[in-house]
Amino acid sequence: AQSVSQHNHHVILSEAASLELGCNYSYGGTVNLFWYVQYPGQHLQLLLKYFSGDPLVKGIKGFEAEFIKSKFSFNLRKPSVQWSDTAEYFCAVIITGSQGNLIFGKGTKLSVKP
Amino acid sequence: KAGVTQTPRYLIKTRGQQVTLSCSPISGHRSVSWYQQTPGQGLQFLFEYFSETQRNKGNFPGRFSGRQFSNSRSEMNVSTLELGDSALYLCASSPRTRAAETQYFGPGTRLLVL
Repeated sequence: AQSVSQHNHHVILSEAASLELGCNYSYGGTVNLFWYVQYPGQHLQLLLKYFSGDPLVKGIKGFEAEFIKSKFSFNLRKPSVQWSDTAEYFCAVIITGSQGNLIFGKGTKLSVKP
Repeated sequence: KAGVTQTPRYLIKTRGQQVTLSCSPISGHRSVSWYQQTPGQGLQFLFEYFSETQRNKGNFPGRFSGRQFSNSRSEMNVSTLELGDSALYLCASSPRTRAAETQYFGPGTRLLVL
């Protein structure tokens, strides 16, 4: 069965630090990839997505992610985090062309200290 | 456009009762998916409806069921509630039931089973 792994359960950073959250998936075929964010008390929001083309995708609020097919990875990055980035981040995949469902990682909680 | 709406936002039930949750998708969206979010299991897919038909189902017992109406609004029902059903239930909508689509999430219904 397909699965998504997010290696860091909780990351604590100071403001202006750089961020990289890991995401690996297990599926040998073509997938579409997503990062969602859940701010405290708010609903899941799409941060960015990769369907095809340039493997470096840019999302909202200065986030970007790089799809490395050979490593089955889709890591999320931000050069300089802000206190307002404190949230839980979820990586998700869906098999291209299927009527399948989104498979989510367990999430990474990011706490940014002011 | 209004986002995905879910009612009620909070529910408290006792074991053995049943519950019905409602989801109104973004206008024009025909696919509705349901997810269960718990601290231990993360986000897990329940089922997806498109044009009033269940297209996909996750690995949940038959106590969990759903339906979709002609206006794309969806309901999910959980019968004979168990303590472990306490969770945040999320609804997501997308224009069509294809994996190339982005799913947009509602705020969720938080269910507490006592």
